[in-house]
Amino acid sequence: AQSVSQHNHHVILSEAASLELGCNYSYGGTVNLFWYVQYPGQHLQLLLKYFSGDPLVKGIKGFEAEFIKSKFSFNLRKPSVQWSDTAEYFCAVNAAYGNKLVFGAGTILRVKS
Amino acid sequence: EPEVTQTPSHQVTQMGQEVILRCVPISNHLYFYWYRQILGQKVEFLVSFYNNEISEKSEIFDDQFSVERPDGSNFTLKIRSTKLEDSAMYFCASSATSAPEQFFGPGTRLTVL
Repeated sequence: AQSVSQHNHHVILSEAASLELGCNYSYGGTVNLFWYVQYPGQHLQLLLKYFSGDPLVKGIKGFEAEFIKSKFSFNLRKPSVQWSDTAEYFCAVNAAYGNKLVFGAGTILRVKS
Repeated sequence: EPEVTQTPSHQVTQMGQEVILRCVPISNHLYFYWYRQILGQKVEFLVSFYNNEISEKSEIFDDQFSVERPDGSNFTLKIRSTKLEDSAMYFCASSATSAPEQFFGPGTRLTVL
């Protein structure tokens, strides 16, 4: 069965600090990878996605993620966070043949201004 | 930008009662999903629906649950006899045929007393 692990449940950063959120998945086949973000009081929004091709993908709001197949990882990065990045971030995977998303537990990011 | 909408935003019910959660997916999408998130836990897949039938369901989605697309726009989740442990946030999502990325609604918070 597929599973997704997110390394940190809570992260606190100061504005302008760099961010890296870890995500590892377990599944032996071809996968599609996603990061979703949930701002306070809002619904899940797609931040970025990886299907194939260049393993470094860029998403909205300056976020990027790198797929490292050998490590089964899809870490999220941002060089300089802003207070408005305060949110919960979810890594998710689906198998290329299927539709269901398997989510990690989420990482709550708080950015101090 | 088209969005997935869900009603109601919050539903309170007594144990044993039936509830129907409603979703309006994005209009040209053909795949529909329900997920739930119990407080403090991961977002979990419940069911996917395509071409008027269930395409995949999880172990959680037992005989107490059913889904329906009663008309061309709505997608519903029915829980026949609610239990305390059904208390959760329920998210509807939809996706287009050619892309596995899913777009989520704002969720319905179900509280079973």
